[in-house]
Amino acid sequence: DAKTTQPPSMDCAEGRAANLPCNHSTISGNEYVYWYRQIHSQGPQYIIHGLKNNETNEMASLIITEDRKSSTLILPHATLRDTAVYYCIVGPYSGGGADGLTFGKGTHLIIQP
Amino acid sequence: EPEVTQTPSHQVTQMGQEVILRCVPISNHLYFYWYRQILGQKVEFLVSFYNNEISEKSEIFDDQFSVERPDGSNFTLKIRSTKLEDSAMYFCASSGAGQGLGYTFGSGTRLTVV
Repeated sequence: DAKTTQPPSMDCAEGRAANLPCNHSTISGNEYVYWYRQIHSQGPQYIIHGLKNNETNEMASLIITEDRKSSTLILPHATLRDTAVYYCIVGPYSGGGADGLTFGKGTHLIIQP
Repeated sequence: EPEVTQTPSHQVTQMGQEVILRCVPISNHLYFYWYRQILGQKVEFLVSFYNNEISEKSEIFDDQFSVERPDGSNFTLKIRSTKLEDSAMYFCASSGAGQGLGYTFGSGTRLTVV
């Protein structure tokens, strides 16, 4: 089972920041937090990952609490194309290695025009 | 930007038939994976493959499934005798291990067993 808890759905107005929360209270010390998204029935798309420091890339920012029990994915200026299911996943190492990722149900983010 | 390519995009097969789903991972990646997603359900891990052997597999990946890297570029998933419940989207992914970029997934093959 997934080790994360996310709200099933969220709405956000186009142009606003979308803040997607995730709880992962049982995360272990060597596990990363990954965020992926899935637009309609396409393959999941990697967004960002982090261990304990906040991270930012061209797609999003990831804020991880100091106790690492929760995190927030921030899409700074949401567009209609950001409508998707967003998955918060706790997993080993940094995306490689043999272990598969355990996807939960994710958050269906709907960007409203 | 490098892509993971999957073929075919759609496959319809009769129950009991064998199917082979094909994937071309990103060329310098070392780890390869298959996932599936039954319509309306979660993405589920099937198997990971490294150094020409299976590294990890889930309970779903039973004796009906097999994977192979027949040459330097292709990675295949074979289902020997398909069942109705094998109908799903099958996603291939690859990872560079340690490059910190996570997985790159293909666009999937929709398998319909009739």
